[in-house]
Amino acid sequence: NAGVTQTPKFQVLKTGQSMTLQCAQDMNHNSMYWYRQDPGMGLRLIYYSASEGTTDKGEVPNGYNVSRLNKREFSLRLESAAPSQTSVYFCASSEGGGFNTQYFGPGTRLTVL
Amino acid sequence: GDSVTQMEGPVTLSEEAFLTINCTYTATGYPSLFWYVQYPGEGLQLLLKATKADDKGSNKGFEATYRKETTSFHLEKGSVQVSDSAVYFCALSGNDYKLSFGAGTTVTVRA
Repeated sequence: NAGVTQTPKFQVLKTGQSMTLQCAQDMNHNSMYWYRQDPGMGLRLIYYSASEGTTDKGEVPNGYNVSRLNKREFSLRLESAAPSQTSVYFCASSEGGGFNTQYFGPGTRLTVL
Repeated sequence: GDSVTQMEGPVTLSEEAFLTINCTYTATGYPSLFWYVQYPGEGLQLLLKATKADDKGSNKGFEATYRKETTSFHLEKGSVQVSDSAVYFCALSGNDYKLSFGAGTTVTVRA
């Protein structure tokens, strides 16, 4: 099992460009998440999908959109990238909420110039 | 809202030293508590967790006890190794899908 996979691993964008970060899991998990990691701030939740067909905003959703394509895949889109979106992005999945363990992908390092 | 405060780093230790990373939380109800570890260049992985008061989570020589009376979940290891060098995150989850993380503590173990 690959677990949680993310593409791409690295990306450099210019301000105003758009891109989609892809995430897939092969653990048959119901719930999926997108986080960003910034120095000294831990991880902050951008959006999550509790189950296939649903998405909800997290702590820092502005400037992002998501799509739960099917049970396996959850994508994050930046429509018009800004330098403030320079960060490391992690996708995660879990069987459900609460006490369930979240499993993380390897991350995407995004730089917006 | 729910929040986690953990000891600031960085922490530098010698091999075989004792490690403690403090973590306290604020939450309504009865959250589940987690410690995640991030090795250089990798994503986060679960180190241990506890889902109710007085539970002790343990893994790879690390331990943490869920203390409701002090709202704490401190991480300890009796004898660290160079391979324990990583960033450690304390986190909590209420009865929903949101995991709240502390800022992370960077630990470096020297041979």
